[in-house]
Amino acid sequence: GIQVEQSPPDLILQEGANSTLRCNFSDSVNNLQWFHQNPWGQLINLFYIPSGTKQNGRLSATTVATERYSLLYISSSQTTDSGVYFCAVGETSGSRLTFGEGTQLTVNP
Amino acid sequence: GAVVSQHPSRVICKSGTSVKIECRSLDFQATTMFWYRQFPKQSLMLMATSNEGSKATYEQGVEKDKFLINHASLTLSTLTVTSAHPEDSSFYICSARVVSGREGLYNEQFFGPGTRLTVL
Repeated sequence: GIQVEQSPPDLILQEGANSTLRCNFSDSVNNLQWFHQNPWGQLINLFYIPSGTKQNGRLSATTVATERYSLLYISSSQTTDSGVYFCAVGETSGSRLTFGEGTQLTVNP
Repeated sequence: GAVVSQHPSRVICKSGTSVKIECRSLDFQATTMFWYRQFPKQSLMLMATSNEGSKATYEQGVEKDKFLINHASLTLSTLTVTSAHPEDSSFYICSARVVSGREGLYNEQFFGPGTRLTVL
């Protein structure tokens, strides 16, 4: 099956700093989603981005499908951005999502 | 975005009992729902794909007789953990797929808030 690798596994920032999270995948995809898992376990949809670039406030994402990677940018980070960020991909032939191991982000005041 | 609910949010049960978890799509119809399991500090692992009106498709290594899935309507899928044991304690999360466009070109999944199962 498809492999999904996220980096870095852990990231500690000071409030106001910028960061880039990376997601590499091993095969063609028809779905790529970024999620933020809050402390209560709820997965919040950040981006549906199988290709191209999107922005939503302080967050933006870029997927280069031909090179099999996606990037999530967080600017001017806030303490409420803390949590685990997951990348998940869906293979071209089906609808199931395969998750990466996540990036644990801690933003300190 | 689309809203998915789960019930209950937390359940504690004795070993040997069965537990049913409900997953509902509140503002859209979902022909396909998914069930995931997450252990502490780990990622989500897909357990099964639930298709409305047909049998669920289980991932390799997931016991279908242990984890019974029923997708009886376009807005409800249920997961029943039968004869639960302490090793079944975990965080169970469902998702529903929103599909639009020709050939399912838009294919986003939305997740429920999860159910924390503790088996004593």
